[in-house]
Amino acid sequence: EPEVTQTPSHQVTQMGQEVILRCVPISNHLYFYWYRQILGQKVEFLVSFYNNEISEKSEIFDDQFSVERPDGSNFTLKIRSTKLEDSAMYFCASSPRPGGKNIQYFGAGTRLSVL
Amino acid sequence: DQQVKQNSPSLSVQEGRISILNCDYTNSMFDYFLWYKKYPAEGPTFLISISSIKDKNEDGRFTVFLNKSAKHLSLHIVPSQPGDSAVYFCAATINNAGNMLTFGGGTRLMVKP
Repeated sequence: EPEVTQTPSHQVTQMGQEVILRCVPISNHLYFYWYRQILGQKVEFLVSFYNNEISEKSEIFDDQFSVERPDGSNFTLKIRSTKLEDSAMYFCASSPRPGGKNIQYFGAGTRLSVL
Repeated sequence: DQQVKQNSPSLSVQEGRISILNCDYTNSMFDYFLWYKKYPAEGPTFLISISSIKDKNEDGRFTVFLNKSAKHLSLHIVPSQPGDSAVYFCAATINNAGNMLTFGGGTRLMVKP
């Protein structure tokens, strides 16, 4: 069964460093997303991406964050200068098409630990 | 942001009995609702969904009920199995509005053998 894959599973970084989280969405999907879950809190939407541009972003997704689809398969989330409060599980998701019956399929996540 | 709420953080059920997980929402613009299941160290896995034009959707042991007037949905699992033990999230979205999912806080279901 096709699945969303995320690497690495765990990323440890020092505060102020840049990190790139990588995702390979399901191959025929057109819509891509990043969510995060801080320990003990809800899963929160960060950004959606369609047709090589950001479709929607939350207020969490500030100038420190960026997304890119550098080739036909990868979808990345970059955090430019990490803060302690960026420590969370980051989930990538993809869906077959925009709008209507939007079932999003999630990867296993990357645990980001900022020290 | 409390647009989607799951008021029961945990639920314990005997194997073979019915599990009922509840979810409330406040945003009347939501028109599509989903339930996800999550095991430790895994991402959320899609379980079942329902459009706001329906009040029930069934898939095997899983049934989702939607009460739009009460802004309430519930997930019924019958019969419950030990393998159903996981955290269940309800999520809501507005079609054609960026498709962001708004999640509830989750309910941990424990099915005892």
